[in-house]
Amino acid sequence: QVQLVQSGAEVKKPGASVKVSCKASGYTFTTYAISWVRQAPGQGLEWMAWISAYNGDTKYAQKFQGRVTMTTDTSTSTAYMELGSLRSDDTAVYYCARPGGYSGGAFDLWGQGTLVTVSS
Amino acid sequence: DIQMTQSPSTLSASVGDRVTITCRASQSISSWLAWYQQKPGKAPKLLIYTASSLESGVPSRFSGSGSGTEFTLTISSLQPDDFATYYCQQYHSYSSFGQGTKLEIK
Repeated sequence: QVQLVQSGAEVKKPGASVKVSCKASGYTFTTYAISWVRQAPGQGLEWMAWISAYNGDTKYAQKFQGRVTMTTDTSTSTAYMELGSLRSDDTAVYYCARPGGYSGGAFDLWGQGTLVTVSS
Repeated sequence: DIQMTQSPSTLSASVGDRVTITCRASQSISSWLAWYQQKPGKAPKLLIYTASSLESGVPSRFSGSGSGTEFTLTISSLQPDDFATYYCQQYHSYSSFGQGTKLEIK
């Protein structure tokens, strides 16, 4: 079954870091990229970053440049997103998503989401 | 950064209605536009890609059009399952989403 399965919910204190994982299955991991999108409570979708699972190339939204680090582990078909210097407004559901090849880059496969709560 | 603006923010309609949602890009994105449907507590679902291509498994009552900076999503005859929030997304330059359109039952 083609799917992305994310790690579980996290609660972090302000100033800490969080690392969310996204495990791919059912397709060749290195053929695609992974993007990260977040959604604050009651708000819209916000694109954060993109990483090629083939060669590790990355792209970041300017807002997150320097605070987000993305990595992949091709041996386990897993992508990681680490967000540092957490603030209360980083509380959100974080999704990983796969830009499809046939779709030219639209996100045809999504993880189930990981709720990250930042609270003192 | 490319800004995406959707209208309306909220749309009230009845089952069987034809509805249209508009998305405007702050600069030309050619046809690199997608539409998603999201229901509460769920991940978004891809409906339309490259502005007008219907994702496999998506009912044909959904259609998309446009190019350049102006795009539309049309639902030809609303069904009960269609009441949700809809987002447009550009993927011409990095990526960005519209603010969403909540489709409510009238």
